[in-house]
Amino acid sequence: QVQLVQSGAEVKKPGASVKVSCKASGYTFSSYGITWVRQAPGQGLEWMGWISAYNGDTNYAQKFQGRVTMTTDTSTSTAYMELRSLRSDDTAVYYCARAPSDWGQGTLVTVSS
Amino acid sequence: DIQMTQSPSSLSASVGDRVTITCRASQGISYYLAWFQQKPGKAPKSLIYAASNLQSGVPSKFSGSGSGTDFTLTITSLQPEDFATYYCQQYNTYPFTFGQGTRLEI
Repeated sequence: QVQLVQSGAEVKKPGASVKVSCKASGYTFSSYGITWVRQAPGQGLEWMGWISAYNGDTNYAQKFQGRVTMTTDTSTSTAYMELRSLRSDDTAVYYCARAPSDWGQGTLVTVSS
Repeated sequence: DIQMTQSPSSLSASVGDRVTITCRASQGISYYLAWFQQKPGKAPKSLIYAASNLQSGVPSKFSGSGSGTDFTLTITSLQPEDFATYYCQQYNTYPFTFGQGTRLEI
């Protein structure tokens, strides 16, 4: 069965960077894209962007342009999302997904001084 | 960006009830609309794709309809496990925006 397993919770200081990983199994990784979605505490879902695991093409939400980089490593079937210049309002659970049906368990990123 | 507006934002219902949640897009999105259910502390679960297609394994008590700008999610015979937050999402145009969510409460 399809599984997406994300890296563990992170605590970062404002201005730092975080890199969240998402290891896929149960399907041909390079045949599908990976979507990243985040959810701030008590808030709704926010689409961050998408990366093709086939050729690395990306599409980022304008809000994150210049601060986010999504990458994949087909040798390990792992996707990564790096967010830089963290602010307190980046505190959220970050999800990877093989949209729409398969989701990771989420990674809590806390940004606090 | 396409704005997705759900109504109502919250809804109280009882076990056995039938409820309908509406999602409106700020511009036409054809049938590129998905519905998700999310329970506290859990990842979203896909219910419906392409506006009216049931995701594999999702019970037929969930149904979706609509095209263009107006969409609905209907849930019949509510059970305790159906009380959750529901989100619509358009995937016609990047960025693939979500509605603000509808909290379904007992």
